Amino acid sequence: AQSVTQPDIHITVSEGASLELRCNYSYGATPYLFWYVQSPGQGLQLLLKYFSGDTLVQGIKGFEAEFKRSQSSFNLRKPSVHWSDAAEYFCAVGAGDSWGKLQFGAGTQVVVTP
Amino acid sequence: AAGVIQSPRHLIKEKRETATLKCYPIPRHDTVYWYQQGPGQDPQFLISFYEKMQSDKGSIPDRFSAQQFSDYHSELNMSSLELGDSALYFCASSLVGGTVPQGEQYFGPGTRLTVT
Repeated sequence: AQSVTQPDIHITVSEGASLELRCNYSYGATPYLFWYVQSPGQGLQLLLKYFSGDTLVQGIKGFEAEFKRSQSSFNLRKPSVHWSDAAEYFCAVGAGDSWGKLQFGAGTQVVVTP
Repeated sequence: AAGVIQSPRHLIKEKRETATLKCYPIPRHDTVYWYQQGPGQDPQFLISFYEKMQSDKGSIPDRFSAQQFSDYHSELNMSSLELGDSALYFCASSLVGGTVPQGEQYFGPGTRLTVT
């Protein structure tokens, strides 16, 4: 069965520290991978995407992600977090003929401490 | 830059009533997607339309229907509302143009539906 897993429900990080959010997927077809961020009561903002090509992708707000096919992972990273990065982060996957039918992970809540 | 517009932003209905949610995609986008996000849940895909035709379907209840109009805006109609329908409903749009995958999905701010 197709699935998207974000192992960490909640992460607390100090401002200025690095951040890594994990995402693992299980799909038979070539996946199309996305990271979205959601602030409380807000919509989903696209941070970055991977369709093909270079496995290290750069996104907005200083985020990057690396696609590792051998590990079925698409982890999100930021070298130095800002207080404004506190939000919920969702990994999403589309694949095959239903590539537009995004399946989301459960989300990771990021708390940034001073 | 123009974004996806959803209306209304908040909606309160009683059980067994009907609700209509509207979505206006980003100009020139040809595909619209609907998602439902329950409290503390991840978004769940409901249905999508490409060039006014249904392109994919998820776990959308039979009580719900949707369509995309000639101007590409979409409406999600929900009848016989139940308490469990209370959720945030997102619309997203993308430019597909018939090629897979042409573009990423841009989400609107959502409509918060509360069923009492």
